[in-house]
Amino acid sequence: SAVISQKPSRDICQRGTSLTIQCQVDSQVTMMFWYRQQPGQSLTLIATANQGSEATYESGFVIDKFPISRPNLTFSTLTVSNMSPEDSSIYLCSVASNRISTDTQYFGPGTRLTVL
Amino acid sequence: EDKVVQSPLSLVVHEGDTVTLNCSYEVTNFRSLLWYKQEKKAPTFLFMLTSSGIEKKSGRLSSILDKKELFSILNITATQTGDSAVYLCAFAASGAGSYQLTFGKGTKLSVIP
Repeated sequence: SAVISQKPSRDICQRGTSLTIQCQVDSQVTMMFWYRQQPGQSLTLIATANQGSEATYESGFVIDKFPISRPNLTFSTLTVSNMSPEDSSIYLCSVASNRISTDTQYFGPGTRLTVL
Repeated sequence: EDKVVQSPLSLVVHEGDTVTLNCSYEVTNFRSLLWYKQEKKAPTFLFMLTSSGIEKKSGRLSSILDKKELFSILNITATQTGDSAVYLCAFAASGAGSYQLTFGKGTKLSVIP
């Protein structure tokens, strides 16, 4: 499986600020995704990061709040904008490849975000 | 509405015990069911199941899918303290947004010496 890294691994931020999370994969992958896991909850898909075009957002998530970039097949960023305490979560990127199955997603190590 | 229900929500066992974790789902256009182990932050892939009745096995872990009754089980034999984690079940469905995985809330397994 691909080796996935995320930066930062954790951060504590002030209300009203923004944080950009980076996801780097060691090989070219077909699909990249961003998930959120709020405390005590399961993983919820935020969006699919599309190379060279706008991300595809799930219901309840908007580009202004969670802008996403994917400039190439190995890298993506998620920005959490104008943060509030409700944004305190673990943010995870995942990847899938046609070489195995696009259903089998592998997850990065996650970013634990705390908003004060 | 598509959903995944896992049971039990939490489980405490002693080392050496065998455990069975349950996952039931409701979805149209089912494609596959996946199991993950989550320690700390990152879910680790365990199994992907697409066909009924075919057991997948990896060491002490095994899983099987019943597409007629819409459920899957994950078995762990001879549990060890390193098996302590949250086990997540998810499905993939065909259709619009077809790469999305829908997750259950997980079963928290604690293995005590």
